Amino acid sequence: ILNVEQSPQSLHVQEGDSTNFTCSFPSSNFYALHWYRWETAKSPEALFVMTLNGDEKKKGRISATLNTKEGYSYLYIKGSQPEDSATYLCASSGYSSASKIIFGSGTRLSIRP
Amino acid sequence: EAQVTQNPRYLITVTGKKLTVTCSQNMNHEYMSWYRQDPGLGLRQIYYSMNVEVTDKGDVPEGYKVSRKEKRNFPLILESPSPNQTSLYFCASTDPWGGTEAFFGQGTRLTVV
Repeated sequence: ILNVEQSPQSLHVQEGDSTNFTCSFPSSNFYALHWYRWETAKSPEALFVMTLNGDEKKKGRISATLNTKEGYSYLYIKGSQPEDSATYLCASSGYSSASKIIFGSGTRLSIRP
Repeated sequence: EAQVTQNPRYLITVTGKKLTVTCSQNMNHEYMSWYRQDPGLGLRQIYYSMNVEVTDKGDVPEGYKVSRKEKRNFPLILESPSPNQTSLYFCASTDPWGGTEAFFGQGTRLTVV
Protein backbone atom coordinates (compact mmCIF):
# COMPACT_ATOMS: atom_id res chain seq x y z
CA ILE A 1 0.00 0.00 0.00
CA LEU A 2 1.29 3.43 -0.95
CA ASN A 3 1.37 6.18 1.66
CA VAL A 4 0.96 9.65 0.28
CA GLU A 5 1.54 12.49 2.73
CA GLN A 6 0.91 16.17 2.23
CA SER A 7 2.16 19.11 4.26
CA PRO A 8 1.14 21.41 5.66
CA GLN A 9 -2.39 20.30 6.45
CA SER A 10 -3.61 23.90 6.18
CA LEU A 11 -2.14 27.20 5.15
CA HIS A 12 -3.26 30.81 5.40
CA VAL A 13 -1.63 33.21 2.97
CA GLN A 14 -1.99 36.91 2.32
CA GLU A 15 -3.35 37.87 -1.10
CA GLY A 16 -0.46 38.54 -3.46
CA ASP A 17 2.01 36.32 -1.63
CA SER A 18 3.47 33.21 -3.21
CA THR A 19 3.25 29.86 -1.51
CA ASN A 20 4.15 26.22 -1.93
CA PHE A 21 3.34 22.90 -0.38
CA THR A 22 4.65 19.37 -0.48
CA CYS A 23 3.52 15.90 -1.43
CA SER A 24 5.62 12.91 -0.36
CA PHE A 25 5.15 9.46 -1.84
CA PRO A 26 7.03 6.16 -1.90
CA SER A 27 9.62 6.33 -4.67
CA SER A 28 9.74 2.59 -5.35
CA ASN A 29 7.61 1.35 -8.26
CA PHE A 30 6.45 4.90 -8.95
CA TYR A 31 4.25 5.41 -12.00
CA ALA A 32 2.45 8.77 -11.84
CA LEU A 33 1.82 11.75 -9.54
CA HIS A 34 -1.38 13.75 -9.78
CA TRP A 35 -2.35 17.16 -8.37
CA TYR A 36 -6.00 18.13 -7.99
CA ARG A 37 -7.72 21.31 -6.90
CA TRP A 38 -10.84 20.79 -4.82
CA GLU A 39 -13.17 23.68 -4.06
CA THR A 40 -15.86 23.38 -1.41
CA ALA A 41 -19.10 21.89 -2.74
CA LYS A 42 -17.44 20.90 -6.01
CA SER A 43 -15.59 17.86 -7.37
CA PRO A 44 -11.79 17.61 -7.47
CA GLU A 45 -10.39 18.87 -10.76
CA ALA A 46 -7.07 17.81 -12.19
CA LEU A 47 -4.22 20.32 -12.30
CA PHE A 48 -1.30 18.15 -13.37
CA VAL A 49 -0.32 14.56 -14.00
CA MET A 50 3.42 13.94 -14.01
CA THR A 51 5.35 10.78 -14.67
CA LEU A 52 9.00 11.65 -15.33
CA ASN A 53 11.67 12.54 -12.81
CA GLY A 54 12.44 16.24 -13.09
CA ASP A 55 9.09 17.03 -14.71
CA GLU A 56 7.92 20.60 -14.27
CA LYS A 57 4.43 21.65 -15.29
CA LYS A 58 2.75 25.03 -15.27
CA LYS A 59 -0.81 26.29 -15.59
CA GLY A 60 -1.10 30.04 -15.21
CA ARG A 61 0.21 31.01 -11.76
CA ILE A 62 0.37 27.40 -10.57
CA SER A 63 3.30 25.11 -11.22
CA ALA A 64 4.54 21.75 -9.96
CA THR A 65 7.78 19.84 -9.85
CA LEU A 66 8.48 16.15 -9.46
CA ASN A 67 11.37 14.23 -7.92
CA THR A 68 10.71 10.53 -8.30
CA LYS A 69 14.07 9.42 -6.89
CA GLU A 70 13.46 10.99 -3.49
CA GLY A 71 9.67 10.76 -3.65
CA TYR A 72 8.37 14.30 -3.46
CA SER A 73 6.50 16.88 -5.48
CA TYR A 74 6.05 20.59 -4.84
CA LEU A 75 3.08 22.70 -5.88
CA TYR A 76 3.76 26.44 -6.21
CA ILE A 77 1.24 29.25 -6.43
CA LYS A 78 2.60 32.63 -7.46
CA GLY A 79 0.81 35.81 -6.40
CA SER A 80 -2.07 34.11 -4.54
CA GLN A 81 -5.58 35.32 -5.28
CA PRO A 82 -8.80 34.72 -3.32
CA GLU A 83 -9.99 32.28 -6.00
CA ASP A 84 -7.00 30.07 -5.19
CA SER A 85 -8.63 29.16 -1.88
CA ALA A 86 -9.27 25.42 -2.07
CA THR A 87 -7.94 22.07 -0.92
CA TYR A 88 -5.08 20.77 -3.03
CA LEU A 89 -4.87 17.00 -3.26
CA CYS A 90 -2.00 14.96 -4.54
CA ALA A 91 -2.23 11.32 -5.52
CA SER A 92 0.25 8.68 -6.56
CA SER A 93 0.09 5.38 -8.37
CA GLY A 94 2.74 2.70 -8.71
CA TYR A 95 3.56 0.02 -11.24
CA SER A 96 2.66 -2.75 -8.84
CA SER A 97 -0.76 -1.28 -8.28
CA ALA A 98 -1.11 1.10 -11.19
CA SER A 99 -4.86 0.85 -11.09
CA LYS A 100 -5.02 2.25 -7.57
CA ILE A 101 -4.60 5.98 -7.36
CA ILE A 102 -3.83 6.71 -3.68
CA PHE A 103 -4.67 10.19 -2.40
CA GLY A 104 -3.10 12.27 0.33
CA SER A 105 -5.28 14.08 2.84
CA GLY A 106 -4.77 17.42 1.14
CA THR A 107 -3.52 20.92 1.96
CA ARG A 108 -6.29 23.39 2.69
CA LEU A 109 -5.28 26.82 1.38
CA SER A 110 -7.01 30.02 2.51
CA ILE A 111 -6.15 33.38 0.97
CA ARG A 112 -6.65 36.48 3.12
CA PRO A 113 -7.68 39.58 1.14
CA GLU B 1 -18.98 17.54 -22.59
CA ALA B 2 -16.87 14.97 -20.74
CA GLN B 3 -18.48 14.19 -17.43
CA VAL B 4 -19.06 11.75 -14.62
CA THR B 5 -22.59 11.85 -13.24
CA GLN B 6 -23.48 10.66 -9.77
CA ASN B 7 -26.91 10.35 -8.23
CA PRO B 8 -28.24 11.25 -5.79
CA ARG B 9 -26.25 14.28 -4.57
CA TYR B 10 -27.67 14.03 -1.07
CA LEU B 11 -29.22 11.09 0.73
CA ILE B 12 -30.39 10.52 4.27
CA THR B 13 -31.33 6.96 5.08
CA VAL B 14 -31.85 4.65 8.03
CA THR B 15 -29.61 1.85 9.21
CA GLY B 16 -30.12 -1.36 7.29
CA LYS B 17 -32.08 0.02 4.34
CA LYS B 18 -30.37 -1.02 1.12
CA LEU B 19 -29.36 1.81 -1.21
CA THR B 20 -27.57 2.31 -4.50
CA VAL B 21 -25.56 5.31 -5.64
CA THR B 22 -25.29 5.46 -9.40
CA CYS B 23 -22.29 6.61 -11.42
CA SER B 24 -22.13 7.06 -15.17
CA GLN B 25 -19.36 8.39 -17.44
CA ASN B 26 -19.48 9.40 -21.11
CA MET B 27 -15.76 9.24 -21.94
CA ASN B 28 -15.52 5.52 -22.74
CA HIS B 29 -13.04 5.12 -19.90
CA GLU B 30 -12.16 1.58 -18.92
CA TYR B 31 -11.19 2.44 -15.34
CA MET B 32 -13.73 3.56 -12.76
CA SER B 33 -13.40 3.90 -9.02
CA TRP B 34 -15.30 4.81 -5.86
CA TYR B 35 -13.83 6.88 -3.02
CA ARG B 36 -15.07 8.07 0.30
CA GLN B 37 -13.88 11.27 1.90
CA ASP B 38 -13.87 11.75 5.65
CA PRO B 39 -12.40 14.71 7.55
CA GLY B 40 -8.62 14.48 7.85
CA LEU B 41 -8.40 11.23 5.90
CA GLY B 42 -8.27 12.34 2.29
CA LEU B 43 -9.88 10.21 -0.39
CA ARG B 44 -9.88 6.48 0.35
CA GLN B 45 -10.58 3.99 -2.39
CA ILE B 46 -13.52 1.64 -1.85
CA TYR B 47 -13.64 -0.40 -5.07
CA TYR B 48 -12.31 -0.02 -8.55
CA SER B 49 -12.95 -1.60 -11.94
CA MET B 50 -10.49 -2.03 -14.78
CA ASN B 51 -13.16 -3.00 -17.31
CA VAL B 52 -16.59 -4.55 -17.74
CA GLU B 53 -17.10 -7.44 -15.33
CA VAL B 54 -13.71 -6.76 -13.70
CA THR B 55 -13.85 -5.29 -10.20
CA ASP B 56 -11.50 -5.33 -7.24
CA LYS B 57 -11.36 -4.14 -3.66
CA GLY B 58 -9.71 -0.91 -2.71
CA ASP B 59 -8.54 0.01 0.76
CA VAL B 60 -11.92 0.23 2.53
CA PRO B 61 -14.32 -2.22 0.80
CA GLU B 62 -16.16 -3.56 3.86
CA GLY B 63 -19.90 -2.96 3.70
CA TYR B 64 -19.94 -2.07 0.00
CA LYS B 65 -20.60 -3.86 -3.27
CA VAL B 66 -20.16 -2.76 -6.86
CA SER B 67 -20.99 -4.06 -10.30
CA ARG B 68 -19.74 -3.24 -13.80
CA LYS B 69 -22.16 -4.71 -16.31
CA GLU B 70 -21.65 -1.89 -18.80
CA LYS B 71 -18.60 0.21 -19.48
CA ARG B 72 -20.28 3.52 -18.67
CA ASN B 73 -21.93 2.58 -15.35
CA PHE B 74 -20.42 1.67 -12.00
CA PRO B 75 -23.02 1.69 -9.20
CA LEU B 76 -22.08 1.54 -5.52
CA ILE B 77 -24.35 -0.63 -3.40
CA LEU B 78 -24.76 -0.53 0.35
CA GLU B 79 -26.71 -3.68 1.24
CA SER B 80 -27.16 -2.77 4.91
CA PRO B 81 -25.91 0.76 5.60
CA SER B 82 -24.57 1.64 9.02
CA PRO B 83 -23.85 5.04 10.61
CA ASN B 84 -20.08 4.60 10.06
CA GLN B 85 -20.79 4.78 6.33
CA THR B 86 -21.93 8.36 6.69
CA SER B 87 -19.50 10.12 4.38
CA LEU B 88 -18.97 12.03 1.16
CA TYR B 89 -18.63 9.66 -1.79
CA PHE B 90 -17.00 10.31 -5.15
CA CYS B 91 -16.98 8.28 -8.31
CA ALA B 92 -14.12 8.79 -10.76
CA SER B 93 -13.10 7.51 -14.17
CA THR B 94 -9.86 7.61 -16.14
CA ASP B 95 -7.90 5.84 -18.81
CA PRO B 96 -6.13 2.78 -17.39
CA TRP B 97 -2.99 2.76 -15.29
CA GLY B 98 -3.39 6.13 -13.57
CA GLY B 99 -1.16 8.01 -15.99
CA THR B 100 -3.92 10.37 -17.05
CA GLU B 101 -6.12 12.60 -14.97
CA ALA B 102 -9.17 11.27 -13.19
CA PHE B 103 -12.57 12.86 -13.78
CA PHE B 104 -14.77 13.02 -10.71
CA GLY B 105 -18.50 13.00 -10.23
CA GLN B 106 -20.22 15.73 -8.24
CA GLY B 107 -20.16 13.74 -5.03
CA THR B 108 -22.88 12.11 -2.92
CA ARG B 109 -23.28 13.16 0.67
CA LEU B 110 -24.74 10.19 2.51
CA THR B 111 -26.05 10.27 6.06
CA VAL B 112 -27.07 7.02 7.75
CA VAL B 113 -29.09 7.46 10.94
